[in-house]
Amino acid sequence: GAGVSQSPSNKVTEKGKDVELRCDPISGHTALYWYRQSLGQGLEFLIYFQGNSAPDKSGLPSDRFSAERTGGSVSTLTIQRTQQEDSAVYLCASSPPGGEGEKLFFGSGTQLSVL
Amino acid sequence: DQQVKQNSPSLSVQEGRISILNCDYTNSMFDYFLWYKKYPAEGPTFLISISSIKDKNEDGRFTVFLNKSAKHLSLHIVPSQPGDSAVYFCAASGDTGGFKTIFGAGTRLFVKA
Repeated sequence: GAGVSQSPSNKVTEKGKDVELRCDPISGHTALYWYRQSLGQGLEFLIYFQGNSAPDKSGLPSDRFSAERTGGSVSTLTIQRTQQEDSAVYLCASSPPGGEGEKLFFGSGTQLSVL
Repeated sequence: DQQVKQNSPSLSVQEGRISILNCDYTNSMFDYFLWYKKYPAEGPTFLISISSIKDKNEDGRFTVFLNKSAKHLSLHIVPSQPGDSAVYFCAASGDTGGFKTIFGAGTRLFVKA
């Protein structure tokens, strides 16, 4: 089966523009995460979806960031009025229901560059 | 508020020797601890995990040790191989079904041939 798919793999945008990043999780996985990794930094938690529960948005850095997960599957991370400090690799991960410790399966990420 | 800390940004080891990567955490509610490996331009991949009810888990060349009283875990790789050169992330999570996974900042391992 296919792994976690993210698109686009690279996105270059101008400061002030809006961007949408897409994540297709592994089929049947109920949990979906967005993380970002800025240059030389670790994985910063952004948002977490688990089944039909309300998402945990505690990691979103500002109200310019939002995410949706439609039908419990595909997720879109939207960044409005992008700033240069938003430049990072945005990683999506999913995990199956149950199991030990929510082992995460990551996509290859979207490299976002804000000029 | 860093709940998972990896205080060594990098580590260099000779091929064939042991690599020891360390991780500290602050939240006693974590139930599982995981290590992920990341190569450039790829997403992290799961390596090994340990439940909080255990103190050791071994998988081939990789062993994770957990010291709950010290809130400390470590990953041992022996013998180290050049292909092990990557960034290693420590992560912690609670009950499946509602507790998000928190990652440390990562340690870049260099294994010299």
